[in-house]
Amino acid sequence: AQTVTQSQPEMSVQEAETVTLSCTYDTSESDYYLFWYKQPPSRQMILVIRQEAYKQQNATENRFSVNFQKAAKSFSLKISDSQLGDAAMYFCAYYSMNRDDKIIFGKGTRLHILP
Amino acid sequence: DSGVTQTPKHLITATGQRVTLRCSPRSGDLSVYWYQQSLDQGLQFLIQYYNGEERAKGNILERFSAQQFPDLHSELNLSSLELGDSALYFCASSSGGQETQYFGPGTRLLVL
Repeated sequence: AQTVTQSQPEMSVQEAETVTLSCTYDTSESDYYLFWYKQPPSRQMILVIRQEAYKQQNATENRFSVNFQKAAKSFSLKISDSQLGDAAMYFCAYYSMNRDDKIIFGKGTRLHILP
Repeated sequence: DSGVTQTPKHLITATGQRVTLRCSPRSGDLSVYWYQQSLDQGLQFLIQYYNGEERAKGNILERFSAQQFPDLHSELNLSSLELGDSALYFCASSSGGQETQYFGPGTRLLVL
């Protein structure tokens, strides 16, 4: 069964610094998608970035970028120039259309931004 | 704003009661997903509907049921409520065959 593991329950970073959140996953599929969702205190789930497994190029969205290592089944999120508004719970998620069409979420990493 | 709406935003009820949560997907999206997030927990997939038909089932209790109507809105029915059912219930939608799911703001259920 597919699993998603986020090994860092909590992290802190100084404002304007760079932080990397880790995520590993386990799958036997070759075609799938990976996501990072952000959940701020409002509890809204916000899509941050997505990566198609067939693409070798790492996805980037403004200050957010990923390091996708398919062979290692690793999908880390890098946040550059951290801002106070980045403080949130971040969930790594896996999706395969071959498997019940559902997203599998990791347990999340709570990110604190220090002013 | 994701375009997915959920009502009500908050719900407080007593054990043993039954409640209905409602979700309207983004315009044009055919798939609706329901997730449960308990306090300080990740999201647990409950059930998915695609164009009115149940497509996938996750960790959904027998006391819970859902349906998707012809206008594509969906309802999640929770019955014989227990204290442990207190959680944030999310609805998400996608266009079906499109892997990205967009989440609604959630319904906070408190069972007393």
